[in-house]
Formats: sequence, structure tokens, C-alpha cells
Amino acid sequence: DAKTTQPTSMDCAEGRAANLPCNHSTISGNEYVYWYRQIHSQGPQYIIHGLKNNETNEMASLIITEDRKSSTLILPHATLRDTAVYYCIVRFARSGGGADGLTFGKGTHLIIQP
Amino acid sequence: NAGVTQTPKFQVLKTGQSMTLQCAQDMNHEYMSWYRQDPGMGLRLIHYSVGAGITDQGEVPNGYNVSRSTTEDFPLRLLSAAPSQTSVYFCASRTGGKQYFGPGTRLTVT
Repeated sequence: DAKTTQPTSMDCAEGRAANLPCNHSTISGNEYVYWYRQIHSQGPQYIIHGLKNNETNEMASLIITEDRKSSTLILPHATLRDTAVYYCIVRFARSGGGADGLTFGKGTHLIIQP
Repeated sequence: NAGVTQTPKFQVLKTGQSMTLQCAQDMNHEYMSWYRQDPGMGLRLIHYSVGAGITDQGEVPNGYNVSRSTTEDFPLRLLSAAPSQTSVYFCASRTGGKQYFGPGTRLTVT
């Protein structure tokens, strides 16, 4: 799985859009970009994933650059409950066998300020 | 759906004791995994299973055993607890590339 690089921490004002960047310059053609977050002491939570098109769901939007070497997770109206560590992960979305784990780096600690 | 459930939430063991961390999911997912998370660190894969009767080792399997007799359950056994196994343990199940995590078990070995 390709390696990712994320800022260690970011601040965002409550009610504003939070934009979290991720670099994945070694991504291969059939690897997806996944975003998870971990609120303090809880299990990680899936947010969104994409291959090359921009994606949106009820939680967030994912913007992937045309060359797929970087992406941005957007939380459109951040609330205090969005304070968490956000992980950008690149991997194959396979349903077959093989190593099944996600490789979690240190992620970005997003702090939403009131 | 309850999703992924784990018991117990907290556990304190003495060095050398054994115990089983329980994990269950009601989403009929074939794939299940166990991770550990040490303070300030990311998650590391211990063992995983691609279906009932099939298990395999992850990144840090030493000191742990798993079995998968049913689709729903994936228990993690600590054979002889050591202080280095003090950690938070997360169980997960997967469909496609999306993993669903349990709430975790916080284990302290003294």
C-alpha cells in the first residue's frame, strides 16, 4: 500500500469548512484513498473513500487531484464534535484474501475551536 | 444492527495470566481483524480472518492466538500476559474496503 503524508495538526473555527490535505505521490492506478477518523478513546470511524472522482456523502467531501498524488478531505461545517485524529489511507479495495489490515500512520489532529 | 461489539471494555491482568477478548459482529462480514493501539501511535494489525475457519497473522502476532469458528465471532486470546501487551485493542470487520471498528478494550498488564 502507498505511503501517505499528512500534517500533524490543524485548527479550524467552528462553523467553518475544515480542509485536511493528504499527499500520496506513490499511489498506484487501482489504489483507493480512504479517510477514517478517531475521536478520543473510540474506535476509528470510516468517513469516505474514492478512486479518482470527487466524492461526497453525509459526512464529508473528498477531492482527489487529477494526477491522484494528493487529496483533500472537506468537512463543510465543522462542529466541536469533529475534533479528532483524521487518517488518510491508501489501499486496494479488494474483497479477496491477503493481508487485510489498514496501515494507520499518525494522522492529522484536527482541533475545532469554538 | 449493533455493529461490532467488544467485551470487556476494561481489564487489568497480572503478568503471566491468560484471558480472551471477545469480539462479535452482526453484519455478516467475512473479514475480521484485531488491532492494538499504543499511546500516541497508530493501529497495528495483530491477526485477521477472511472467513470462518481461516485466520492469519498480521504485523504483531506474537503472544496472541485467534480462532474463527463462526462468521460472527472472532476472539483474541492472550496466552501469558506481559506488560508490553498493555494497550487498547480494537476489533474490526470489513466489507469491500470499508472497515467497521468496535469500541475497544483497554487492557493493563501489571
